[in-house]
Amino acid sequence: EAGVAQSPRYKIIEKRQSVAFWCNPISGHATLYWYQQILGQGPKLLIQFQNNGVVDDSQLPKDRFSAERLKGVDSTLKIQPAKLEDSAVYLCASSLDRIETQYFGPGTRLLVL
Amino acid sequence: SQQGEEDPQALSIQEGENATMNCSYKTSINNLQWYRQNSGRGLVHLILIRSNEREKHSGRLRVTLDTSKKSSSLLITASRAADTASYFCATVETSGSRLTFGEGTQLTVNP
Repeated sequence: EAGVAQSPRYKIIEKRQSVAFWCNPISGHATLYWYQQILGQGPKLLIQFQNNGVVDDSQLPKDRFSAERLKGVDSTLKIQPAKLEDSAVYLCASSLDRIETQYFGPGTRLLVL
Repeated sequence: SQQGEEDPQALSIQEGENATMNCSYKTSINNLQWYRQNSGRGLVHLILIRSNEREKHSGRLRVTLDTSKKSSSLLITASRAADTASYFCATVETSGSRLTFGEGTQLTVNP
């Protein structure tokens, strides 16, 4: 069974630029998550989708972050404009349903200069 | 905000020894999960223990859960150098479905 796919793996941008990350979850998984993991910390949930609807986006900085999950499968996370403090690893995860085991992708490491 | 707090923050042991990591949390939970993260890589799910369970085993892993003390422990027996990684506990509260991670324990197993 293929795992969660993410791209790109690495991205370097300057502050105030925009960036987008892509995630393809495990086939059949209804729930998709985006996390932000700052160096030395645990992951923090940014947004959770159930199929193509948003379940929890209370920790998403909506003035600069946006995410969508078209057709309940792939998802994109966008940052516009980026700030220095957005430098982190962005992890995508999926699960069969809410509260079940989550399977994580390899992450996208973002560096904002 | 982080719900789980791992203890210790860092642990260094010799190959073959056992490693114990503890996790405390604050609210009522549906389940508690442990994840491993090797340097620069994504998280790997290790084990899930539900609130009505007290102990669970998976290979060299043993997890206990004490809901009265709001704490859990992860024991890795006969550790190997390949076990070197960060270990995170994460909880799902009974009131929702969000998985909230702690800050992690950095385990180093010396050959």
